[in-house]
Amino acid sequence: DQQVKQNSPSLSVQEGRISILNCDYTNSMFDYFLWYKKYPAEGPTFLISISSIKDKNEDGRFTVFLNKSAKHLSLHIVPSQPGDSAVYFCAASAQGAQKLVFGQGTRLTINP
Amino acid sequence: DVKVTQSSRYLVKRTGEKVFLECVQDMDHENMFWYRQDPGLGLRLIYFSYDVKMKEKGDIPEGYSVSREKKERFSLILESASTNQTSMYLCASSEGVAWYGYTFGSGTRLTVV
Repeated sequence: DQQVKQNSPSLSVQEGRISILNCDYTNSMFDYFLWYKKYPAEGPTFLISISSIKDKNEDGRFTVFLNKSAKHLSLHIVPSQPGDSAVYFCAASAQGAQKLVFGQGTRLTINP
Repeated sequence: DVKVTQSSRYLVKRTGEKVFLECVQDMDHENMFWYRQDPGLGLRLIYFSYDVKMKEKGDIPEGYSVSREKKERFSLILESASTNQTSMYLCASSEGVAWYGYTFGSGTRLTVV
């Protein structure tokens, strides 16, 4: 039972354009959502997070949007750069939980 | 910065061997985790530990065991390696609740032949 789903295994975007990565969840108890970025042969690194009391959080070129009624979040990268090429994982947790639940990941490729 | 160190970047083992994957963190984190990453399946939790000598099964514990004798060290054991355990193994640690986020190690690419 996949509680966090990233339905696009891959995404290809032109350099300078916007990248939009999507994530859906089924568990209404999830209160916190995080995005991690992973390069090959490296561990995932934290990128940005959002709590359910907000619907938007920005950090430089990265913005995460949360739509609680649709149980959907998205990560926007503007403008996209070649160094953004990586696998992006969406993760969620319920309040007080010690574990994150991860999605399947989306491989983003930024073309020059 | 928190550092999570996995002892091996690449390992090749034979079917039936007992395999130990070691993970050490240097920031006194309470929680430690073992995940495996497979294409199309994302990060799946094998085991986690919230204190010394305490462990809890994750989503895919079959064929694995763990040991946490000291707070900073969390070992994953493949009792009898099989080819379907060929994967990228990632260790992570965290302080307190999950939404603080995890710090991951660089991963161990295990190939079982």
